[in-house]
Amino acid sequence: AQSVTQPDIHITVSEGASLELRCNYSYGATPYLFWYVQSPGQGLQLLLKYFSGDTLVQGIKGFEAEFKRSQSSFNLRKPSVHWSDAAEYFCAVGPFKAAGNKLTFGGGTRVLVKP
Amino acid sequence: AAGVIQSPRHLIKEKRETATLKCYPIPRHDTVYWYQQGPGQDPQFLISFYEKMQSDKGSIPDRFSAQQFSDYHSELNMSSLELGDSALYFCASSLEEGPGAFFGQGTRLTVV
Repeated sequence: AQSVTQPDIHITVSEGASLELRCNYSYGATPYLFWYVQSPGQGLQLLLKYFSGDTLVQGIKGFEAEFKRSQSSFNLRKPSVHWSDAAEYFCAVGPFKAAGNKLTFGGGTRVLVKP
Repeated sequence: AAGVIQSPRHLIKEKRETATLKCYPIPRHDTVYWYQQGPGQDPQFLISFYEKMQSDKGSIPDRFSAQQFSDYHSELNMSSLELGDSALYFCASSLEEGPGAFFGQGTRLTVV
């Protein structure tokens, strides 16, 4: 069964500092990997996704993520955090080329940004 | 660009009532997913449809049913509502190549 672990429930970072959110997955085959961001009371916005190819993926809002197969990880990074990045971030995994099959989400990491 | 549209955005129902949530996928997307996100929880998969056929099923209660119509929009029907059904319900859509789903803004259902 597929699973996603986000070890950090909360992260507090100062504005302008770098941010890294950890994501580890368990999956028996080549996965699709995603990062979503959710502001309070809002929907899920896709930041980036990885299917294949270059293991460093660029996303929106200055985010990037690196797929490391050997570590079963897909960590999200941003070099300089803005106050508007305060939100909850979800890592998700889905099956490769399987139409209609579900995404499995991690528990989320809530990011707080200090001025 | 067009996104996934969900209606209504907010819904308040009493216990034992029924509710219908609607989802309009991104144009040309043929796959629709429904997720339920309880307070402080991560989204949990309920059910999905590919080309109007149910393709996967998660932890969806028997009181809930869903379908995808010929225009690819989908409806989630919820009956005998319980307080525990209060949650944010997301619809997502994708092309058949994979589950890379784009989510709607969600419908916040409150059962009182």
